[in-house]
Amino acid sequence: DAKTTQPTSMDCAEGRAANLPCNHSTISGNEYVYWYRQIHSQGPQYIIHGLKNNETNEMASLIITEDRKSSTLILPHATLRDTAVYYCIVRVGGNSGGSNYKLTFGKGTLLTVNP
Amino acid sequence: DTAVSQTPKYLVTQMGNDKSIKCEQNLGHDTMYWYKQDSKKFLKIMFSYNNKELIINETVPNRFSPKSPDKAHLNLHINSLELGDSAVYFCASSQWGREGTQYFGPGTRLLVL
Repeated sequence: DAKTTQPTSMDCAEGRAANLPCNHSTISGNEYVYWYRQIHSQGPQYIIHGLKNNETNEMASLIITEDRKSSTLILPHATLRDTAVYYCIVRVGGNSGGSNYKLTFGKGTLLTVNP
Repeated sequence: DTAVSQTPKYLVTQMGNDKSIKCEQNLGHDTMYWYKQDSKKFLKIMFSYNNKELIINETVPNRFSPKSPDKAHLNLHINSLELGDSAVYFCASSQWGREGTQYFGPGTRLLVL
């Protein structure tokens, strides 16, 4: 799976949009970008994923650059409860067996939403 | 209803003891996982089971033995506990063909004294 690079930490004001970047310059054509977050003392939570088109769901939006070498997770109106570590993970989509079953978590970005 | 549940939530024990952690999912998924998160907060896969069959074993010491009695349950038994086993253990599950979308349990905090 391709490696990802994320800033160690970011701050955001409550009510403002939080834009979390992720670089994945070695991503290959069949690899998807997944985002998870881990709120303190809880299990990781799936947020969103995409291949090349921008995606939106009730939690967030995912913007993937045209060359797919980077992406941005957008929380449109951050709240205090969005304070968490956000993980960007690149992996082959679907089930191709073996090690594809696992998620490889990096260090992630600690997003702190301030009142 | 809790989608992925783990018991116990906390586990404090002495070195050398044997302990088990249980995981259950009510999502109808057929793939389950165990992850370990150490004190530095790195989260790493330990095991993955699909339809009760072991798929991934990430060079975990053989003191750790997962058991999947059915698709909805994946238990983790640890023999001869060591100080370094202290960590948070997370169970997760996913649907066949959607292994990138995993649902995690709340974690079991294990402290070995």
